[in-house]
Amino acid sequence: AQSVTQLDSQVPVFEEAPVELRCNYSSSVSVYLFWYVQYPNQGLQLLLKYLSGSTLVKGINGFEAEFNKSQTSFHLRKPSVHISDTAEYFCAVSNKWGTYKYIFGTGTRLKVLA
Amino acid sequence: EAQVTQNPRYLITVTGKKLTVTCSQNMNHEYMSWYRQDPGLGLRQIYYSMNVEVTDKGDVPEGYKVSRKEKRNFPLILESPSPNQTSLYFCASGNRDASSYNEQFFGPGTRLTVL
Repeated sequence: AQSVTQLDSQVPVFEEAPVELRCNYSSSVSVYLFWYVQYPNQGLQLLLKYLSGSTLVKGINGFEAEFNKSQTSFHLRKPSVHISDTAEYFCAVSNKWGTYKYIFGTGTRLKVLA
Repeated sequence: EAQVTQNPRYLITVTGKKLTVTCSQNMNHEYMSWYRQDPGLGLRQIYYSMNVEVTDKGDVPEGYKVSRKEKRNFPLILESPSPNQTSLYFCASGNRDASSYNEQFFGPGTRLTVL
């Protein structure tokens, strides 16, 4: 069965430092990959997605992610974080175009420290 | 403003008392879905609907019902709530547009406590 692993449940980082949130998935077929962000007391918002093409995907708020098929990873990065990036981040995978059938990871709570 | 709305946002109820959580979207999306979010488990899909009058079970459908009589609405019904249904619930919708295919738009969430 398909699965998504976010190894880090919490990541503390100082403001203006770089951050990487890790996501690994298990799938032997084509995948579509997503990162969503959940700010406190809000719903999820799409940060970026990989559907096909370039393996480096740029999203909103300065985030980017790289699809690595050989390592089955889709890590999220930002070169310099702000206090406002404090939120929970979810990686999700879908392997069937148009079905909206997602498997979500368990989330990584990013805490940006002043 | 394009959005998914849910009501109520917070609900405390007792075991066995039927309740409905409403979900509405104003983006003319074909797809709608319900998820529950629990600590350490991420989001799990309860039910989804690819269009009006078409609904399917997700990964954790037990104890829940849904209906899709209109395109914009997708209510979640708990006929006899139990404490293990205490959770944070999200409704989501999506469009079959080629550029946004598979992207979901989420509501603000409903925090349900069943005593």
